[in-house]
Amino acid sequence: TQLLEQSPQFLSIQEGENLTVYCNSSSVFSSLQWYRQEPGEGPVLLVTVVTGGEVKKLKRLTFQFGDARKDSSLHITAAQPGDTGLYLCAGRLHSGAGSYQLTFGKGTKLSVIP
Amino acid sequence: NAGVTQTPKFQVLKTGQSMTLQCAQDMNHEYMSWYRQDPGMGLRLIHYSVGAGITDQGEVPNGYNVSRSTTEDFPLRLLSAAPSQTSVYFCASSYNPANEKLFFGSGTQLSVL
Repeated sequence: TQLLEQSPQFLSIQEGENLTVYCNSSSVFSSLQWYRQEPGEGPVLLVTVVTGGEVKKLKRLTFQFGDARKDSSLHITAAQPGDTGLYLCAGRLHSGAGSYQLTFGKGTKLSVIP
Repeated sequence: NAGVTQTPKFQVLKTGQSMTLQCAQDMNHEYMSWYRQDPGMGLRLIHYSVGAGITDQGEVPNGYNVSRSTTEDFPLRLLSAAPSQTSVYFCASSYNPANEKLFFGSGTQLSVL
């Protein structure tokens, strides 16, 4: 069973469109991160959210942590071809053994067509 | 600042061969880890270390060994490679286990024939 479910798995949109990707779980996380990975490279951290209901903005990207700290979303406004990549969410469980270990979702592969 | 350096970038092995994937970081990070990334499976933790001389198993440790003799280096050893170990391997580090910012290397693409 996947602890973190990401949707959609694939997304292909035209430049200038808006999009939202989701990261959902039945577990409570002490924090949740979003990474972007480009082909042939390792993931790069975009943001960490730690408080239920928290909203963070990074230029055209808006990240939200659910009130119950079980889910998160990433919204991109006016997508650009440079946004193309694999978006991964990763969470640290709220409690229990190994709570400092990151659990990753399977990712959303985004293609922005010029 | 080199960050996390992985070598080699690509490797092809025959079943049964052994090899070591190298990982080095120059940020004085306590925490280092190895992940494998497979299509449709996401990143899965193989082994991790919270400091020199300390290692522990992650989600998928079978077939892999690690050691941490220095703060900088965290090699991953495949003792007898199997086709199921064909994957992309990433090394990652952070300042300490609870630190939120994980730095990844650029990966090693391994094929086992």
